[in-house]
Amino acid sequence: NAGVTQTPKFRVLKTGQSMTLLCAQDMNHEYMYWYRQDPGMGLRLIHYSVGEGTTAKGEVPDGYNVSRLKKQNFLLGLESAAPSQTSVYFCASSYRRSLGGFQHETQYFGPGTRLLVL
Amino acid sequence: DQQVKQNSPSLSVQEGRISILNCDYTNSMFDYFLWYKKYPAEGPTFLISISSIKDKNEDGRFTVFLNKSAKHLSLHIVPSQPGDSAVYFCAASEGDDKIIFGKGTRLHILP
Repeated sequence: NAGVTQTPKFRVLKTGQSMTLLCAQDMNHEYMYWYRQDPGMGLRLIHYSVGEGTTAKGEVPDGYNVSRLKKQNFLLGLESAAPSQTSVYFCASSYRRSLGGFQHETQYFGPGTRLLVL
Repeated sequence: DQQVKQNSPSLSVQEGRISILNCDYTNSMFDYFLWYKKYPAEGPTFLISISSIKDKNEDGRFTVFLNKSAKHLSLHIVPSQPGDSAVYFCAASEGDDKIIFGKGTRLHILP
């Protein structure tokens, strides 16, 4: 049981190049998320998915696209990388459960992808 | 506007003493709160959570306190250990909605 894995771990891009970050989870979770973490900014949600074939925008979606063709995979694409997208990207997955009548979730994170855009 | 605020970017505590990390929130509809711990070069890991129907939840050395009237929660670590040095994120959610994270507090445990 690998949990949440991310590929690649580190990448350097030139401005204007494109790339895809892959997230995979083996916990059969419905929900998946992409965050970016920047110094002093905490975790900011880019896009998320509540199930296979569905995606939605988060707090900072501009410049990114996502796809969830399979339940276990969530891809984050950068069509034309910019230096402002230099960051550490974290993928997370979760399930929801009932707690005292409320629906709650706990997210499980991958190890991160460090991206440098020159 | 930040809905979950961690106003202390960093905190230093002597080994063996109590570490208290604070978090304030603005949305009174939040009904579930979580703390995550993050080591360098790793993803955040879930630490402890509390539902809004409780005011305290304890798990070993970690206790989370919730004060709904003050919209404040805190994480107590007793006793603090060197391995507790990390960044701690406070997070909150409302019903089915997304989890909102704070900016994090870096905890340094001093020998």
